[in-house]
Amino acid sequence: DSGVTQTPKHLITATGQRVTLRCSPRSGDLSVYWYQQSLDQGLQFLIQYYNGEERAKGNILERFSAQQFPDLHSELNLSSLELGDSALYFCASSVVDFTANEQFFGPGTRLTVL
Amino acid sequence: AQTVTQSQPEMSVQEAETVTLSCTYDTSESDYYLFWYKQPPSRQMILVIRQEAYKQQNATENRFSVNFQKAAKSFSLKISDSQLGDAAMYFCASGAGSYQLTFGKGTKLSVIP
Repeated sequence: DSGVTQTPKHLITATGQRVTLRCSPRSGDLSVYWYQQSLDQGLQFLIQYYNGEERAKGNILERFSAQQFPDLHSELNLSSLELGDSALYFCASSVVDFTANEQFFGPGTRLTVL
Repeated sequence: AQTVTQSQPEMSVQEAETVTLSCTYDTSESDYYLFWYKQPPSRQMILVIRQEAYKQQNATENRFSVNFQKAAKSFSLKISDSQLGDAAMYFCASGAGSYQLTFGKGTKLSVIP
């Protein structure tokens, strides 16, 4: 158990819908990262938050957005869902010690868009 | 920008034998870190081992060790005394500072009893 929690575990929805994925980092970790794992694209970085502020952005679609709340949990919002958004979405957290970058991953949320 | 390449989509090893998974990377960063993550059928991403690029000594964690060749930008993972529980996808990743990780496509390791 990495200490990072993600809910829900599974999500099945229809095209055009909007969903919210939730992540709670390890106690003491200030940084949260979101990754998407799909069969054809592998593990792709989406976005990073540090202590409530957006810190880095990767290949995140405009239909996707995220935020980190004062209690440090984070939510990833996916809207106007398409079939191609079906994937495993991971959240990871780290202390953000600038000499290291050890990230701990949650169990993931499997999103299926029908 | 960083790129990570794993050229072996699949590998197999006999139980109790040794196997080496290959990884090459490219980065413009002078200070970076390299990782191997294991993803078993449960899909959980588990950190296996990490290497700081500034350290010359190769990292080891029990049966897992790396061969870090900085000049060649190579970072291979050696698993000794392979066990059935080692069967999984293995991902090589690189990161700089506290920013995101860049992952390779993964190597699927099968362990033959």
